[in-house]
Amino acid sequence: GQQLNQSPQSMFIQEGEDVSMNCTSSSIFNTWLWYKQDPGEGPVLLIALYKAGELTSNGRLTAQFGITRKDSFLNISASIPSDVGIYFCAGSADYYKLSFGAGTTVTVRA
Amino acid sequence: NAGVTQTPKFQVLKTGQSMTLQCAQDMNHEYMSWYRQDPGMGLRLIHYSVGAGITDQGEVPNGYNVSRSTTEDFPLRLLSAAPSQTSVYFCASTVADSYEQYFGPGTRLTVT
Repeated sequence: GQQLNQSPQSMFIQEGEDVSMNCTSSSIFNTWLWYKQDPGEGPVLLIALYKAGELTSNGRLTAQFGITRKDSFLNISASIPSDVGIYFCAGSADYYKLSFGAGTTVTVRA
Repeated sequence: NAGVTQTPKFQVLKTGQSMTLQCAQDMNHEYMSWYRQDPGMGLRLIHYSVGAGITDQGEVPNGYNVSRSTTEDFPLRLLSAAPSQTSVYFCASTVADSYEQYFGPGTRLTVT
């Protein structure tokens, strides 16, 4: 399968901080998706990106589809405690085949 | 709508046993997929189906069988469980010509 490199692997957030994470691929994708997974739950779709250069927001979340079609980033602004979880990027060249990154684990800084 | 449902939530098997993980969706989605999630790794595609009667292999299909006799159901069968199949299994579905897959809550499987 396709290899996606997602970074950072983990991060600590303080309430009110802006945080960002990114994903790169050796292959071109037609779509980039960002999911969030809470403990014991399935991934939930946050944002879908369909065009190179596209910048899309969903509340405090903003994601961009890289111009080369090989990367994407996700920003969370003014983080709150419920932002903790695992964030996954996923890329797709076919409708029914998603390739996932290994995830970024977001936890609250004590 | 219940969305995508999976049963059981947890399962423990002994090596060599067989079992079926159930997945159902009530959204009339054409596409359904099975993924496994292992620690430190993203989800990996096991099998997928683009409609009733049509299935195909994903990235890690060995040791698993699927069938799709109805639009709603997409069961995953483990023929002879191995410890390497200890994982969390997720079923997902989407409408035709869409990239936006929606996931069930998962089945946590342990093979001893």
